[in-house]
Amino acid sequence: AQSVTQLDSQVPVFEEAPVELRCNYSSSVSVYLFWYVQYPNQGLQLLLKYLSGSTLVKGINGFEAEFNKSQTSFHLRKPSVHISDTAEYFCAVSSYSGGGADGLTFGKGTHLIIQP
Amino acid sequence: EAGVAQSPRYKIIEKRQSVAFWCNPISGHATLYWYQQILGQGPKLLIQFQNNGVVDDSQLPKDRFSAERLKGVDSTLKIQPAKLEDSAVYLCASGPIQGWQTQYFGPGTRLLVL
Repeated sequence: AQSVTQLDSQVPVFEEAPVELRCNYSSSVSVYLFWYVQYPNQGLQLLLKYLSGSTLVKGINGFEAEFNKSQTSFHLRKPSVHISDTAEYFCAVSSYSGGGADGLTFGKGTHLIIQP
Repeated sequence: EAGVAQSPRYKIIEKRQSVAFWCNPISGHATLYWYQQILGQGPKLLIQFQNNGVVDDSQLPKDRFSAERLKGVDSTLKIQPAKLEDSAVYLCASGPIQGWQTQYFGPGTRLLVL
């Protein structure tokens, strides 16, 4: 069984400041890690993913995340946030079981609030 | 490339009524998923199809929920009878065989059960 813990339900940050959204996971098998963003009344959009290789992953909109296997973490960072980054951010894990990618297991989400 | 389409976008029903949601995945995507997202929570997988076969439905409340994917393309998710706690956004996602790790989500159907 897999689980994802997003440690902060809400993160307020001033515009142009850096931000880190924390994510920890647990799994008994190798996993693939994802960050999705959800803007109000919209579906989920993939920000970035870690499948293998380099532990530092760069995504869209200036976001990046680092996979840390020993700490079972996949924290999301952005060096300078913009008002348009206000949204809900979800960390998710998946694995492979022969029938294709397993369904994603999501965390509860972190609401990023950008203050002017 | 057209994205994942879902309809209706919004639905309001009374408890004990039935409701159905429709999903059209991205063309050529073999895998299709239905998720339930309750307000304030992350999405939860309900069912996963590979072509027209069910891969995982372990979290689908089978006494009231059913889903099918005829001909391995479109899919419908049905709730009968609906309960108050079914109020949620129902998200459909699809994934290709190549690049199978990534799922592409539709806009969702927001269901309110009164």
